[in-house]
Amino acid sequence: NAGVTQTPKFRILKIGQSMTLQCTQDMNHNYMYWYRQDPGMGLKLIYYSVGAGITDKGEVPNGYNVSRSTTEDFPLRLELAAPSQTSVYFCASSYSPKGYGYTFGSGTRLTVV
Amino acid sequence: KQEVTQIPAALSVPEGENLVLNCSFTDSAIYNLQWFRQDPGKGLTSLLLIQSSQREQTSGRLNASLDKSSGRSTLYIAASQPGDSATYLCAVIMEYGNKLVFGAGTILRVKS
Repeated sequence: NAGVTQTPKFRILKIGQSMTLQCTQDMNHNYMYWYRQDPGMGLKLIYYSVGAGITDKGEVPNGYNVSRSTTEDFPLRLELAAPSQTSVYFCASSYSPKGYGYTFGSGTRLTVV
Repeated sequence: KQEVTQIPAALSVPEGENLVLNCSFTDSAIYNLQWFRQDPGKGLTSLLLIQSSQREQTSGRLNASLDKSSGRSTLYIAASQPGDSATYLCAVIMEYGNKLVFGAGTILRVKS
């Protein structure tokens, strides 16, 4: 079972560049999430989606955009990268909005220089 | 706004010890609480989920308790092993919400 697949695993960006972090799940989960994790901090929710075509902001959405054209894919777009976006990014999916069946990807470590 | 705190931030114990990790939350109107394990360079894996109406959940050597009214949960690990070394995070979902709120985690090292 693939679960939640994130690409790339590592990336270095220059200030002002843009990129897309890819996330795909094969469990037919309706709910998908993007989190960032900074050293010594818990995970912070960036964006989430409750189904194809529906997305909403989380706690820290500034500087990011998402789309959800299919159930499987939930890409995260960084526009005009800034050093403050240096972090580890996790994509997750679940079959319930109440925390059940959460599956996380292995993360993308992004450095902005 | 819900805030989740985990104590200690880091813990180092010899193999075989029983240990307790603590999690506290400021708003007791939670729907459930979940403990996750995170290995270096990996994603999170759910260990135990406790409904707000439950007092505890057990899985093997792990036991999680919940005192909703006082805003506290503990994760008890019996007879710790080097393979238990990881970061442990707790997270809550509110009765009226659908998003996990995470603590910062406890980094556990079990020495052989």
